[in-house]
Amino acid sequence: DAKTTQPPSMDCAEGRAANLPCNHSTISGNEYVYWYRQIHSQGPQYIIHGLKNNETNEMASLIITEDRKSSTLILPHATLRDTAVYYCIVRTPMSGTASKLTFGTGTRLQVTL
Amino acid sequence: DAGVTQSPTHLIKTRGQHVTLRCSPISGHKSVSWYQQVLGQGPQFIFQYYEKEERGRGNFPDRFSARQFPNYSSELNVNALLLGDSALYLCASSYYGSGRSSYNEQFFGPGTRLTVL
Repeated sequence: DAKTTQPPSMDCAEGRAANLPCNHSTISGNEYVYWYRQIHSQGPQYIIHGLKNNETNEMASLIITEDRKSSTLILPHATLRDTAVYYCIVRTPMSGTASKLTFGTGTRLQVTL
Repeated sequence: DAGVTQSPTHLIKTRGQHVTLRCSPISGHKSVSWYQQVLGQGPQFIFQYYEKEERGRGNFPDRFSARQFPNYSSELNVNALLLGDSALYLCASSYYGSGRSSYNEQFFGPGTRLTVL
């Protein structure tokens, strides 16, 4: 399984952009990069995903390097409610039609006033 | 629309007992996956079910089993509980089970916190 490496923690001032890096140097060509976040041990919340191209939605932007070995999640204007553990995940196709999300230990983002 | 629901919210068991956890997916979703999250770690994949068949299994012992019903709800069963089984058990649903579809976001429920004494 492709593994991801993230910094254990980051701080960001409210209103500023939060840039969360992730390394996935062993990713295969058919594996998607997903980002989820988890607040206070609730269920993880889907943020965004991508394969090769940069992606943007109402929550965040995902920048994937051309060699696909790393990516950055950007929260354009962080708020206190964005304080959470952010997981960079590689979605691994399994045999047949199955797939699984392989979580690492994530980055704990602390947004401060 | 209701999200993924799980029951019970919390559960306390003793070593050697068995437990059944339940999950109802988002309406229209046909795939359910189960994850175990030990305190301080990321969730670990246990099973994926799609159209009532097991489609994938993680590195968990045979004490763990699951099934999916015709209405796509699912149960996770754990026998002969060990202290190390104490964790948050998460259920995630998605429309497809295919690993090759880009529209396969997994939506997680709030989890069941199991404590084994």
